[in-house]
Amino acid sequence: DGGITQSPKYLFRKEGQNVTLSCEQNLNHDAMYWYRQDPGQGLRLIYYSQIVNDFQKGDIAEGYSVSREKKESFPLTVTSAQKNPTAFYLCASSIDAGTGVGYTFGSGTRLTVV
Amino acid sequence: GDSVTQMEGPVTLSEEAFLTINCTYTATGYPSLFWYVQYPGEGLQLLLKATKADDKGSNKGFEATYRKETTSFHLEKGSVQVSDSAVYFCALRIGNTDKLIFGTGTRLQVFP
Repeated sequence: DGGITQSPKYLFRKEGQNVTLSCEQNLNHDAMYWYRQDPGQGLRLIYYSQIVNDFQKGDIAEGYSVSREKKESFPLTVTSAQKNPTAFYLCASSIDAGTGVGYTFGSGTRLTVV
Repeated sequence: GDSVTQMEGPVTLSEEAFLTINCTYTATGYPSLFWYVQYPGEGLQLLLKATKADDKGSNKGFEATYRKETTSFHLEKGSVQVSDSAVYFCALRIGNTDKLIFGTGTRLQVFP
């Protein structure tokens, strides 16, 4: 079955470390997205990519970086410059043909700074 | 800019009660509108959508009608179940891409 896989489900990071969250999809979707979810704040867009080797900043890109070397993969790196990285991170993908069919989401990664 | 506003939660109901979760939007043009549901510890799942004015999206007993005159897309269900307890997000699609803007989410708690 097609879908989006995020790993790991839980991740612990020490202060000052970079960590990378994985997102892989086998839906043949062109577009992929990373959102951050904090309690009471809904989803905020970090980065998105509409095609391979191209990506754009979302609303809260500072302290994060991404790459899109393959259509199937859109890893997110949380760098030490991100001051408050503890959150639930969600990856999503869409056909991005303007069809308005919506996103498919992964099951999320919960990142905690210890 | 484009935005989505949802009623604050939590919404607490007894089983079989009627549910309304309000959602209003601000957008240029004619956005597509969505409702997503998030169960504890999981990602979001598409619940229903509507792409033009007066369209009604429906799924699993939930309904929402795209009201252009009131810029609203309220979610309703006639009889909620304990299993409907989750966080519900209203969202709109802007422009010619599939990028979505989400509301802050409304938590629904249903008790037996």
